[in-house]
Amino acid sequence: EVVLTQSPDFQSVTPGEKVTITCRASQNIGTSLHWYQQKPDQSPKLLIKYVSQSFSEVPPRFSGSGSGTDFTLTINSLEAEDAATYYCHQSSSLPFTFGPGTKVDIK
Amino acid sequence: QVQLQESGPGLVKPSQTLSLTCTVSGDSIKSGTYYWSWIRQHPGKGLEWIGYIYYSGNTYYNPSLKSRLTISIDTSKNQFSLSLSSVTAADTAVYYCARLYYGPNKNFDYWGQGTLVTVSS
Repeated sequence: EVVLTQSPDFQSVTPGEKVTITCRASQNIGTSLHWYQQKPDQSPKLLIKYVSQSFSEVPPRFSGSGSGTDFTLTINSLEAEDAATYYCHQSSSLPFTFGPGTKVDIK
Repeated sequence: QVQLQESGPGLVKPSQTLSLTCTVSGDSIKSGTYYWSWIRQHPGKGLEWIGYIYYSGNTYYNPSLKSRLTISIDTSKNQFSLSLSSVTAADTAVYYCARLYYGPNKNFDYWGQGTLVTVSS
């Protein structure tokens, strides 16, 4: 099973600042890495697929990069509505797994 | 736009079977590119993938749940279902159904709103 770790666990950010979240896989997963955003009391929503492709209607301030075992989600110029927990997910091998999540809070 | 909606009992007694149904609208469950999946989230915790099913009936289950799990599909109703037997308090979670894009890089592109299932006597 591919284990995903995320850092940091929690980040408190001022609006307008840049946020960087990392996801590390326990083995090479190529580009089979996706990011989801879960706001409080909502279901997760696909944010970025295949490392760097934004899903429909996702604001351009969200971007992703990486390959192999190390991946990054970047939020440029954070907005208040971006307060959420962000999860990475790998679909390289079964069973599918998720990272533990990174909670982003607004200062 | 595709929508998914979970339904089923919110309270299940220990040792009994948890049963949920996901109704899909805005897309045919027989779409060839998509599989249909269940994912759960324990209270205040992360996401755990449960398993998926194709419209043909092909399934894959998370090995951690495989011995207790059955996922089925009813294409005539555009629904798929989850059955988890011998539940314990550890199965208390929000259960989500989701559409799984089954291209080269599979991802969960649409999710239901989730339903909380509590296992308690």
